[in-house]
Formats: sequence, C-alpha cells, structure tokens
Amino acid sequence: KAGVTQTPRYLIKTRGQQVTLSCSPISGHRSVSWYQQTPGQGLQFLFEYFSETQRNKGNFPGRFSGRQFSNSRSEMNVSTLELGDSALYLCASSLLVSTDTQYFGPGTRLTVL
Amino acid sequence: SQQGEEDPQALSIQEGENATMNCSYKTSINNLQWYRQNSGRGLVHLILIRSNEREKHSGRLRVTLDTSKKSSSLLITASRAADTASYFCATALVYGNNRLAFGKGNQVVVIP
Repeated sequence: KAGVTQTPRYLIKTRGQQVTLSCSPISGHRSVSWYQQTPGQGLQFLFEYFSETQRNKGNFPGRFSGRQFSNSRSEMNVSTLELGDSALYLCASSLLVSTDTQYFGPGTRLTVL
Repeated sequence: SQQGEEDPQALSIQEGENATMNCSYKTSINNLQWYRQNSGRGLVHLILIRSNEREKHSGRLRVTLDTSKKSSSLLITASRAADTASYFCATALVYGNNRLAFGKGNQVVVIP
C-alpha cells in the first residue's frame, strides 16, 4: 500500500501570498490530520478531518483553513502568509475516528520570504 | 493544552549501547505513542501503548507507561547508527479523537 503523500515537498512564497498544500492519505483511511512543525514551537496540531468534516481544530488563526474531499484527500490553505508560517507541514492519516496509529507523510517544507 | 514532554537532553551513545528517553505528561490520556523523525522528514510511528497497558515491546524497542506518575519511557536496545534521529512522544487525550499533543523531541546520536 502506498503511504501518505504530500505535495509539493518544498515551497517558497513571499509575505502576503497564500498557499495550498495537498495530502493524500493511505488508501482506505478516512481521517486526516495536519500538524505544523517549527524549531521554536515544535509539533502543533492544526486540524483533523473525517468524512469531509472538520472534527478538531488547534489554536491557529483563521488564516489557516482546510478541507477534505469525498475521496479523503485533504488540502490546507494558508492565506496572507507571514514569516512565522515558515515550517514543515505534516499530514497524517488513520483508518478510523478512534485514536489509533497515525501514519505521517514526508511533509511540505514551506519557506516564507 | 496538555503536552508530552521528553527529557530535553540530547543523547550521544556508541553503537551497541542502549538508549533510554523519558516522556512526562500532565493529564489523563487514552494512549501514548512514540515517533521517530530523521533530519526534518516525516514522522515514523514506532509504538503505541494504551492507558491500560504498562509495557510493550516491538523488536528492539521497549516502552513503559506509568499512569500514576504520568510518564513513559522508550528504550532502544543494541542501538545502531541508523537509530540516529529525533524521538517524539505524543499523547492522545480522548478516545475517538485523533488529536495528538507532541513533546519537544529528544535527539539521539548513535556513533558507529
């Protein structure tokens, strides 16, 4: 089975721009979560989607949004980029709603200049 | 929000030695998971231990969980150079909720 895939792997944007990141979960997995990783704040939960519905949201401003499609693929969007949004964005998928093993993708490295 | 916290010290050991790292958390959990990350890449799931379990093994990995002390430890036996990585513990608070709270990670360097 293919693992979690994320595109693009690397991205460079400038302040004020917006960006969309994509995540394809493992086939059959219906839950997709997003995390932001920075040297200063570590790994922080952004949001989780299950069956196209956002089930949980972390403490991030409204500039961060996401969605999930009927095929479980997910996208996250960051509008009006700030320098502090530079981070590794990780997507994780799991089979069910319940707390079980989450499988992470390789991440998207976003650099905001 | 509750967060797992590993011992902050980086660990440098010789190949073949054992590596132990600890994680503490503040509130009741459903389960605790350990992940490995190599050089800023994706996280690799190592092991999951549920709140009603005390010890779990997977290959060269041994995880313990002490819910009374709200702590967990990860032991890697007979370490290899390929074990060089950052190790994170993550806690899941509520059954039915996939939100994980991660610790800050523990850098392990295994010297060949």
